[in-house]
Amino acid sequence: QVQLQESGPGLVKPSETLSLTCTVSGGSISGYYWSWIRQPPGKGLEWIGYIYYSGSTNYNPSLKSRLTISVDTSKNQFSLNLSSVTAADTAVYFCARDLYGDYWGQGTLVTVSS
Amino acid sequence: EIVLTQSPGTLSLSPGERATLSCRASQSVSSNYLAWYQQKPGQAPRLLIYGASSRATGIPDRFSGSGSGTDFTLTISRLEPEDFAVYFCQQYDSSPLTFGGGTKVEIK
Repeated sequence: QVQLQESGPGLVKPSETLSLTCTVSGGSISGYYWSWIRQPPGKGLEWIGYIYYSGSTNYNPSLKSRLTISVDTSKNQFSLNLSSVTAADTAVYFCARDLYGDYWGQGTLVTVSS
Repeated sequence: EIVLTQSPGTLSLSPGERATLSCRASQSVSSNYLAWYQQKPGQAPRLLIYGASSRATGIPDRFSGSGSGTDFTLTISRLEPEDFAVYFCQQYDSSPLTFGGGTKVEIK
C-alpha cells in the first residue's frame, strides 16, 4: 500500500521560504507524477504544481515565480520550496501521487506568522 | 485556465436518498480528464472517480460519474451515513490544474 507523508516546519516567518518534503513508502517514486496541493483553512483546494519522477515540472502560474519542486529518487522523496511567503500562504499542504491524486498524504498545516 | 463551477453549494438530504452533484467547466475538458474527490473534516481528499466515470480502487458502486465536454455529474445512488462530506471535482486536462469550489452534502 502506497503511503505519503509530508514533513517540514509548521511555522514560517513572513518573507522566508517554506520548505516541505513528501516521503513515499510502499512503492517507487519512479514512473509517476507527484503533486503538491494546498488548502487554506476553511477553503477549497489549490493545485500548486507537479513533478515527474524524471524531474520535469509544471507549476501554477500564480506561484511560479516563488516555487521550486524537486525530486530525489534515491530517497523516494519530492520537495516543495516556496519563497517570500506571506499570510496568504497559510494552508494545509498535501502531497499526492499523479495528476489525479490516487494517494494522498495526511496534510501538514503551515502557518505564516512572525 | 479552466474554471470549474460546482452546484449546488450545499445539498441537504436524508440517508437512503439519491445525491446528484454537478461540475461545469468553462471550456471543454479533453479526454474526460475529470476527477471527483470526497473530503471529510481534518482528512485529505479521497479519490472517488477519475477519467470522468472510472471508479477508483475500493470505491463502492453507489458512486458513479458521468458526463463529457463541459458538464459532469457525480451521483451517489443511496446515501450512507459515511457519505455526508464535501465533494470536489478537478480537471487534469490542462495547466493549471484546477478544482471546483466544492459541494457539501449534509444530513437533512
